[in-house]
Amino acid sequence: GAGVSQSPSNKVTEKGKDVELRCDPISGHTALYWYRQSLGQGLEFLIYFQGNSAPDKSGLPSDRFSAERTGGSVSTLTIQRTQQEDSAVYLCASSLNVRGSSGNTIYFGEGSWLTVV
Amino acid sequence: RKEVEQDPGPFNVPEGATVAFNCTYSNSASQSFFWYRQDCRKEPKLLMSVYSSGNEDGRFTAQLNRASQYISLLIRDSKLSDSATYLCVVNMARGSNYQLIWGAGTKLIIKP
Repeated sequence: GAGVSQSPSNKVTEKGKDVELRCDPISGHTALYWYRQSLGQGLEFLIYFQGNSAPDKSGLPSDRFSAERTGGSVSTLTIQRTQQEDSAVYLCASSLNVRGSSGNTIYFGEGSWLTVV
Repeated sequence: RKEVEQDPGPFNVPEGATVAFNCTYSNSASQSFFWYRQDCRKEPKLLMSVYSSGNEDGRFTAQLNRASQYISLLIRDSKLSDSATYLCVVNMARGSNYQLIWGAGTKLIIKP
């Protein structure tokens, strides 16, 4: 697609429910990143994919968080048993690749704004 | 010490002034560098890449100092619309991989 697409753009959920966030990267981009940002705070790295594999999962805050990517394209971030502290905007980004100075400009989607009540 | 550090600000600057801020990084094996701009409640957007020789785009100039391990962003003739948070990003070696490491951002407020 023309840009990184995320859905839903806004989600309000009850504490304890599971949520699934979707990211459709720019076509041809092999690297995909998930970040979380609370209001007024910096970007918190969650996970990145190179193709379908995730070399670094260290940013996932707890075992309630998981992510997968299939077909080297769409990725889903799943949060199980949501807590109020999970409320944030979840940003997905993609780049051509991770290595190489010319290809690793990353482009962000508009984010999925999650509110846990 | 954080791998990528920025002064959080805010920098309060009168319209028309020149402002500059730096971003320091810890790993000398870092490969590429970028400045992003983020408006309130919006996603970050690429402002400019930072090249070894330094580069300029209109009122914006970015420079890289590998010896001292920092990048800088200079904004001339600042506009009200320049008010935003400026994030630096470093593509940093992590073992056999590279990873994009983000600074926490510098908040800039341009005042009329």
